[in-house]
Amino acid sequence: DQQVKQNSPSLSVQEGRISILNCDYTNSMFDYFLWYKKYPAEGPTFLISISSIKDKNEDGRFTVFLNKSAKHLSLHIVPSQPGDSAVYFCAASGQGAQKLVFGQGTRLTINP
Amino acid sequence: DTGVSQNPRHKITKRGQNVTFRCDPISEHNRLYWYRQTLGQGPEFLTYFQNEAQLEKSRLLSDRFSAERPKGSFSTLEIQRTEQGDSAMYLCASSFLRGTNEKLFFGSGTQLSVL
Repeated sequence: DQQVKQNSPSLSVQEGRISILNCDYTNSMFDYFLWYKKYPAEGPTFLISISSIKDKNEDGRFTVFLNKSAKHLSLHIVPSQPGDSAVYFCAASGQGAQKLVFGQGTRLTINP
Repeated sequence: DTGVSQNPRHKITKRGQNVTFRCDPISEHNRLYWYRQTLGQGPEFLTYFQNEAQLEKSRLLSDRFSAERPKGSFSTLEIQRTEQGDSAMYLCASSFLRGTNEKLFFGSGTQLSVL
């Protein structure tokens, strides 16, 4: 059972425009959500997180939105830069669940 | 902060052989995790330690897999009698738990190829 889903395997965006990556979850016990970025041959690196008590968290060009009623979160990157080209993973954890559960990832390509 | 270190970066082995991977976490981190990632999938949880105690193991972790963290510092993951289905990237992560929200720091992984 895939508790965290990223339904878009890939996304292509023009440099300077907004990139929007989406993630859905099924487990209502999840209360902490994170986005990781992964370059080839490297481990995932933490990007941004959000607690379920908030519906938005912003860090520079990156903003994460959480819609608890829809069990949906999204990552907005604006403006998109070529260095943002990577695979992005959504992850979630919940009270009593000591481990992060990851989605399948979305490959973002920023075109010049 | 030297980050999480994993060795080796790559391992090629023949089916039936045993392999061992090592992970050195960030020094002050008390939690250490092992994940496995295959092509086109996200990392899947295998097991984790708090200090030297192994607190949870995934059903993915068959009895051919064993992990240790003998002194609460580095950890090893051993796979006995490797199978072709074991081919994957094995990721180690560490964290220092504060409260309930935990952020994991990952190493670069060990890419295992079983021929």
